[in-house]
Amino acid sequence: GAVVSQHPSWVICKSGTSVKIECRSLDFQATTMFWYRQFPKQSLMLMATSNEGSKATYEQGVEKDKFLINHASLTLSTLTVTSAHPEDSSFYICSARTGEYTEAFFGQGTRLTVV
Amino acid sequence: SQKIEQNSEALNIQEGKTATLTCNYTNYSPAYLQWYRQDPGRGPVFLLLIRENEKEKRKERLKVTFDTTLKQSLFHITASQPADSATYLCALGGKLIFGQGTELSVKP
Repeated sequence: GAVVSQHPSWVICKSGTSVKIECRSLDFQATTMFWYRQFPKQSLMLMATSNEGSKATYEQGVEKDKFLINHASLTLSTLTVTSAHPEDSSFYICSARTGEYTEAFFGQGTRLTVV
Repeated sequence: SQKIEQNSEALNIQEGKTATLTCNYTNYSPAYLQWYRQDPGRGPVFLLLIRENEKEKRKERLKVTFDTTLKQSLFHITASQPADSATYLCALGGKLIFGQGTELSVKP
C-alpha cells in the first residue's frame, strides 16, 4: 500500500523554540494532507487541512500563527510548532490522500515533548 | 456542530466471536464514511470506506454498514482473533473527522 513517512518520530525541545515536522508521501502524489493532534487515550483532533500550493485551512480554535503548515509540493507537507510550550506536548500525526472518496494514509506520528 | 459517537470506550470479547462496533453521528450528512484501526503509538491504518449510496461493504472478515437515515454505521469483525485487538476509529466525510474510537480486546 501507499506509504507516508513522518519525521522525526519523536523530538524533545526547550520551551520557546520551534520544531518542524515533515510529512512525505513516498509513492504517490497527495492532493490533500491533514494534520492531527492526539492526546493519550483520546481520538485524533483535526488541526488543519492543506492542499498543494494553497494556504492551509485551520480548524476552529487552532492558532495558525503557532502551527505553521506548508504544503509546498504534492509529496511534502510540514508542520512547524513555533515558540513551543509544555502544553504543546502531544502526538502529532499527518495523513495524505490522492483525492476525494479515497482512503487516507497516515504517517507513524511524532511525539513532541516540550520541556 | 458535528458530533460523532462510538460505542463504549472498551469492548471485550472472546476469540472466535463477532465484534460489533457502532458509530453514530449528528448534524452531518457525510457522503462517505471510513473505518480505521490504530495500534498504540502508531498512526491509523485504513480498513474500509463506504459511500452514502452503499448499504454494506465487506472485506475478508470485516463488514461495514451505513444507514444514512439512522445516521449510523456498524463495523463487524467476524471470527475475531487476539491480533484484532486495537482501537477502531470511524471517520466521516472529506474532512476526515474522527470519532473517539472503541478499544477492542479479543481474549483467547
